[in-house]
Amino acid sequence: SAVISQKPSRDICQRGTSLTIQCQVDSQVTMMFWYRQQPGQSLTLIATANQGSEATYESGFVIDKFPISRPNLTFSTLTVSNLSPEDSSIYLCSVASAGNTEAFFGQGTRLTVV
Amino acid sequence: DQQVKQNSPSLSVQEGRISILNCDYTNSMFDYFLWYKKYPAEGPTFLISISSIKDKNEDGRFTVFLNKSAKHLSLHIVPSQPGDSAVYFCAASAQGFQKLVFGTGTRLLVSP
Repeated sequence: SAVISQKPSRDICQRGTSLTIQCQVDSQVTMMFWYRQQPGQSLTLIATANQGSEATYESGFVIDKFPISRPNLTFSTLTVSNLSPEDSSIYLCSVASAGNTEAFFGQGTRLTVV
Repeated sequence: DQQVKQNSPSLSVQEGRISILNCDYTNSMFDYFLWYKKYPAEGPTFLISISSIKDKNEDGRFTVFLNKSAKHLSLHIVPSQPGDSAVYFCAASAQGFQKLVFGTGTRLLVSP
């Protein structure tokens, strides 16, 4: 199974600022995804991070608010921009490879916006 | 619209007994189902999965059953252990593993 390192593990940010979350995998993976888990809610897919091209966003999520980079097959970043208290959530990186039957998750980043 | 539902937010079971966690889905396009376990301050950990071409998959103490006609799946844990205490998420995909739709989770408490 892939080992996923997600940084930071938690942060407290001021309104109006941005937070960039990093996801590093110990092996090359085909697919990388970003999820959000709001308090008391399920995990919701934000976007698929595509290597070398723009991410594919799910309904309700836009690039201006959640810019994503994926410069290579082992690394991706998610930025949560113009923070508001409603952005307080756990953000999770997930990876999968062709031929595998499961997706693996990082430990998550707990973001609190004050 | 919640496409994957876990109607029991919590479940308490005694050690050694069976734990049964249930999940219902509405999207007929889902063809792959997974169960994840999540401890506090950790990411979800993959447990077991099942393809829509099967109705049962077993891995050690964990068995997943799929009833396609009822759009229902369940996870059985036998015997339950205190270390199984966690939140369990059901997830489904219409494109293999690629994009997962999660249920809201069931918190399992296994008491000694």
